[in-house]
Amino acid sequence: DGGITQSPKYLFRKEGQNVTLSCEQNLNHDAMYWYRQDPGQGLRLIYYSQIVNDFQKGDIAEGYSVSREKKESFPLTVTSAQKNPTAFYLCASSSPRQLIQANYGYTFGSGTRLTVV
Amino acid sequence: KQEVTQIPAALSVPEGENLVLNCSFTDSAIYNLQWFRQDPGKGLTSLLLIQSSQREQTSGRLNASLDKSSGRSTLYIAASQPGDSATYLCAVRGPGGYQKVTFGTGTKLQVIP
Repeated sequence: DGGITQSPKYLFRKEGQNVTLSCEQNLNHDAMYWYRQDPGQGLRLIYYSQIVNDFQKGDIAEGYSVSREKKESFPLTVTSAQKNPTAFYLCASSSPRQLIQANYGYTFGSGTRLTVV
Repeated sequence: KQEVTQIPAALSVPEGENLVLNCSFTDSAIYNLQWFRQDPGKGLTSLLLIQSSQREQTSGRLNASLDKSSGRSTLYIAASQPGDSATYLCAVRGPGGYQKVTFGTGTKLQVIP
Protein backbone atom coordinates (compact mmCIF):
# COMPACT_ATOMS: atom_id res chain seq x y z
CA ASP A 1 0.00 0.00 0.00
CA GLY A 2 1.18 3.51 -0.74
CA GLY A 3 1.90 5.88 2.08
CA ILE A 4 4.37 7.99 3.99
CA THR A 5 6.86 6.50 6.44
CA GLN A 6 8.42 8.62 9.14
CA SER A 7 11.22 7.40 11.35
CA PRO A 8 12.08 7.20 14.11
CA LYS A 9 8.84 7.38 16.06
CA TYR A 10 10.65 8.85 19.09
CA LEU A 11 13.90 10.81 19.07
CA PHE A 12 15.91 12.36 21.86
CA ARG A 13 18.32 15.20 21.30
CA LYS A 14 21.04 16.46 23.56
CA GLU A 15 21.91 20.11 23.80
CA GLY A 16 24.04 21.27 20.85
CA GLN A 17 23.33 18.17 18.79
CA ASN A 18 21.93 17.98 15.26
CA VAL A 19 19.38 15.27 14.56
CA THR A 20 17.74 14.14 11.33
CA LEU A 21 14.16 12.99 10.89
CA SER A 22 13.39 10.70 7.98
CA CYS A 23 10.39 10.95 5.65
CA GLU A 24 9.86 8.56 2.73
CA GLN A 25 6.81 8.30 0.44
CA ASN A 26 5.84 5.85 -2.29
CA LEU A 27 2.80 7.78 -3.51
CA ASN A 28 4.62 9.29 -6.48
CA HIS A 29 3.78 12.73 -5.10
CA ASP A 30 5.85 15.69 -6.20
CA ALA A 31 5.26 17.97 -3.23
CA MET A 32 6.42 17.20 0.30
CA TYR A 33 6.09 19.19 3.49
CA TRP A 34 7.33 19.30 7.07
CA TYR A 35 5.08 20.57 9.85
CA ARG A 36 5.64 21.10 13.53
CA GLN A 37 2.78 20.53 15.97
CA ASP A 38 2.74 22.01 19.46
CA PRO A 39 -0.14 21.72 21.93
CA GLY A 40 -2.73 24.44 21.38
CA GLN A 41 -0.90 25.94 18.39
CA GLY A 42 -1.97 23.80 15.49
CA LEU A 43 0.34 22.84 12.64
CA ARG A 44 3.04 25.21 11.47
CA LEU A 45 4.91 24.81 8.19
CA ILE A 46 8.69 24.42 8.44
CA TYR A 47 9.78 23.64 4.87
CA TYR A 48 8.19 22.45 1.67
CA SER A 49 9.43 21.07 -1.65
CA GLN A 50 7.53 20.92 -4.92
CA ILE A 51 10.19 19.14 -6.95
CA VAL A 52 13.49 17.33 -6.56
CA ASN A 53 16.45 19.57 -5.74
CA ASP A 54 14.18 22.47 -4.82
CA PHE A 55 12.73 23.49 -1.47
CA GLN A 56 11.40 26.63 0.17
CA LYS A 57 11.17 27.96 3.72
CA GLY A 58 7.84 27.89 5.44
CA ASP A 59 6.68 29.99 8.36
CA ILE A 60 9.15 28.70 10.99
CA ALA A 61 12.27 27.54 9.11
CA GLU A 62 14.89 28.99 11.48
CA GLY A 63 17.00 26.25 13.06
CA TYR A 64 15.94 23.62 10.52
CA SER A 65 17.36 22.37 7.22
CA VAL A 66 16.13 19.97 4.54
CA SER A 67 17.26 18.28 1.35
CA ARG A 68 15.36 16.78 -1.59
CA GLU A 69 17.76 14.63 -3.57
CA LYS A 70 15.13 12.03 -4.45
CA LYS A 71 11.44 12.35 -5.18
CA GLU A 72 10.63 9.81 -2.48
CA SER A 73 12.65 11.33 0.34
CA PHE A 74 12.54 14.62 2.26
CA PRO A 75 14.65 14.45 5.43
CA LEU A 76 14.52 17.21 8.05
CA THR A 77 17.53 18.15 10.16
CA VAL A 78 16.93 19.91 13.46
CA THR A 79 20.09 21.87 14.12
CA SER A 80 21.55 23.16 17.37
CA ALA A 81 20.33 26.60 16.34
CA GLN A 82 16.75 25.52 17.04
CA LYS A 83 16.40 26.52 20.68
CA ASN A 84 13.06 24.89 21.39
CA PRO A 85 12.90 21.73 19.29
CA THR A 86 10.70 19.62 21.56
CA ALA A 87 7.58 18.98 19.47
CA PHE A 88 5.73 16.51 17.27
CA TYR A 89 6.95 16.61 13.67
CA LEU A 90 4.73 15.61 10.78
CA CYS A 91 5.68 15.00 7.16
CA ALA A 92 3.09 15.26 4.41
CA SER A 93 2.92 14.94 0.65
CA SER A 94 0.64 16.13 -2.12
CA SER A 95 0.73 16.88 -5.81
CA PRO A 96 1.52 20.44 -6.93
CA ARG A 97 0.00 20.13 -10.38
CA GLN A 98 -1.23 23.65 -10.95
CA LEU A 99 -4.14 22.97 -13.24
CA ILE A 100 -5.95 20.54 -10.98
CA GLN A 101 -4.64 21.51 -7.59
CA ALA A 102 -8.14 21.62 -6.19
CA ASN A 103 -8.27 17.84 -6.48
CA TYR A 104 -5.38 17.25 -4.13
CA GLY A 105 -5.30 17.10 -0.42
CA TYR A 106 -2.57 16.01 1.94
CA THR A 107 -1.38 12.59 3.03
CA PHE A 108 0.44 12.54 6.36
CA GLY A 109 2.97 10.26 7.98
CA SER A 110 2.61 8.96 11.53
CA GLY A 111 4.95 11.57 13.02
CA THR A 112 8.15 11.78 15.03
CA ARG A 113 8.16 13.02 18.60
CA LEU A 114 11.39 14.87 19.36
CA THR A 115 12.42 15.57 22.94
CA VAL A 116 15.41 17.51 24.22
CA VAL A 117 17.19 15.76 27.09
CA LYS B 1 -4.08 36.13 5.76
CA GLN B 2 -6.32 33.09 6.00
CA GLU B 3 -7.47 32.18 9.49
CA VAL B 4 -9.20 28.91 10.35
CA THR B 5 -11.19 28.50 13.53
CA GLN B 6 -12.71 25.39 15.03
CA ILE B 7 -15.25 25.73 17.80
CA PRO B 8 -15.65 24.15 20.27
CA ALA B 9 -12.12 23.13 21.20
CA ALA B 10 -13.49 20.09 23.03
CA LEU B 11 -16.75 18.18 22.94
CA SER B 12 -18.07 15.27 24.96
CA VAL B 13 -21.16 13.35 23.85
CA PRO B 14 -22.87 10.06 24.76
CA GLU B 15 -22.57 7.14 22.38
CA GLY B 16 -25.15 7.04 19.61
CA GLU B 17 -25.62 10.78 19.37
CA ASN B 18 -25.42 12.57 16.03
CA LEU B 19 -23.02 15.50 16.18
CA VAL B 20 -21.68 18.40 14.14
CA LEU B 21 -18.17 19.82 14.19
CA ASN B 22 -17.61 23.32 12.85
CA CYS B 23 -14.82 24.92 10.83
CA SER B 24 -14.79 28.61 9.89
CA PHE B 25 -12.37 30.38 7.57
CA THR B 26 -11.92 34.06 6.77
CA ASP B 27 -10.94 34.03 3.08
CA SER B 28 -13.44 32.37 0.74
CA ALA B 29 -10.92 32.11 -2.13
CA ILE B 30 -10.07 28.48 -1.46
CA TYR B 31 -9.23 25.49 -3.64
CA ASN B 32 -10.41 22.82 -1.25
CA LEU B 33 -11.08 21.95 2.37
CA GLN B 34 -9.95 18.75 4.03
CA TRP B 35 -11.07 17.13 7.27
CA PHE B 36 -8.63 15.02 9.25
CA ARG B 37 -8.74 12.82 12.30
CA GLN B 38 -5.80 12.64 14.72
CA ASP B 39 -5.51 10.05 17.47
CA PRO B 40 -3.19 10.84 20.41
CA GLY B 41 0.47 10.62 19.40
CA LYS B 42 -0.41 9.73 15.82
CA GLY B 43 -0.35 11.41 12.43
CA LEU B 44 -3.32 12.90 10.62
CA THR B 45 -5.70 10.60 8.78
CA SER B 46 -7.66 12.16 5.93
CA LEU B 47 -11.41 11.76 6.26
CA LEU B 48 -12.93 13.86 3.49
CA LEU B 49 -11.73 16.32 0.85
CA ILE B 50 -14.20 18.84 -0.54
CA GLN B 51 -13.26 20.78 -3.65
CA SER B 52 -14.30 24.43 -3.86
CA SER B 53 -16.91 23.60 -6.52
CA GLN B 54 -18.57 20.99 -4.31
CA ARG B 55 -21.15 21.43 -1.57
CA GLU B 56 -20.62 18.19 0.32
CA GLN B 57 -18.86 14.86 0.51
CA THR B 58 -19.91 11.67 2.25
CA SER B 59 -18.05 8.66 3.54
CA GLY B 60 -19.89 6.12 5.64
CA ARG B 61 -21.23 7.85 8.77
CA LEU B 62 -19.40 11.07 7.91
CA ASN B 63 -20.75 13.95 5.88
CA ALA B 64 -18.87 17.18 5.29
CA SER B 65 -20.44 20.31 3.84
CA LEU B 66 -18.87 23.45 2.46
CA ASP B 67 -20.35 26.93 2.17
CA LYS B 68 -17.63 29.12 0.67
CA SER B 69 -19.65 32.31 0.68
CA SER B 70 -20.13 32.18 4.44
CA GLY B 71 -16.69 30.69 5.12
CA ARG B 72 -17.98 27.60 6.86
CA SER B 73 -17.67 23.85 6.76
CA THR B 74 -19.32 21.28 8.98
CA LEU B 75 -18.46 17.66 9.65
CA TYR B 76 -21.49 15.61 10.57
CA ILE B 77 -20.93 12.33 12.39
CA ALA B 78 -23.94 10.04 12.59
CA ALA B 79 -24.53 7.56 15.41
CA SER B 80 -21.29 8.34 17.20
CA GLN B 81 -19.20 5.51 18.65
CA PRO B 82 -16.43 5.45 21.28
CA GLY B 83 -13.99 4.70 18.45
CA ASP B 84 -14.78 8.12 17.01
CA SER B 85 -12.99 9.72 19.97
CA ALA B 86 -10.11 11.74 18.53
CA THR B 87 -9.15 15.28 17.55
CA TYR B 88 -10.69 16.48 14.31
CA LEU B 89 -8.89 19.12 12.25
CA CYS B 90 -9.90 21.00 9.16
CA ALA B 91 -7.43 22.41 6.65
CA VAL B 92 -8.10 24.98 3.97
CA ARG B 93 -6.04 25.08 0.79
CA GLY B 94 -5.87 28.38 -1.06
CA PRO B 95 -3.87 30.41 -3.55
CA GLY B 96 -0.29 31.10 -2.69
CA GLY B 97 3.25 30.50 -3.73
CA TYR B 98 3.03 26.99 -2.38
CA GLN B 99 -0.72 26.44 -2.43
CA LYS B 100 -0.97 27.70 1.11
CA VAL B 101 -2.69 25.33 3.49
CA THR B 102 -3.99 26.66 6.78
CA PHE B 103 -4.98 24.32 9.58
CA GLY B 104 -7.45 24.84 12.37
CA THR B 105 -6.42 23.92 15.92
CA GLY B 106 -8.95 21.11 16.08
CA THR B 107 -11.92 19.89 18.09
CA LYS B 108 -11.17 17.15 20.60
CA LEU B 109 -14.11 14.74 20.63
CA GLN B 110 -14.87 12.27 23.36
CA VAL B 111 -17.69 9.77 22.85
CA ILE B 112 -18.77 8.26 26.14
CA PRO B 113 -19.98 4.62 26.13
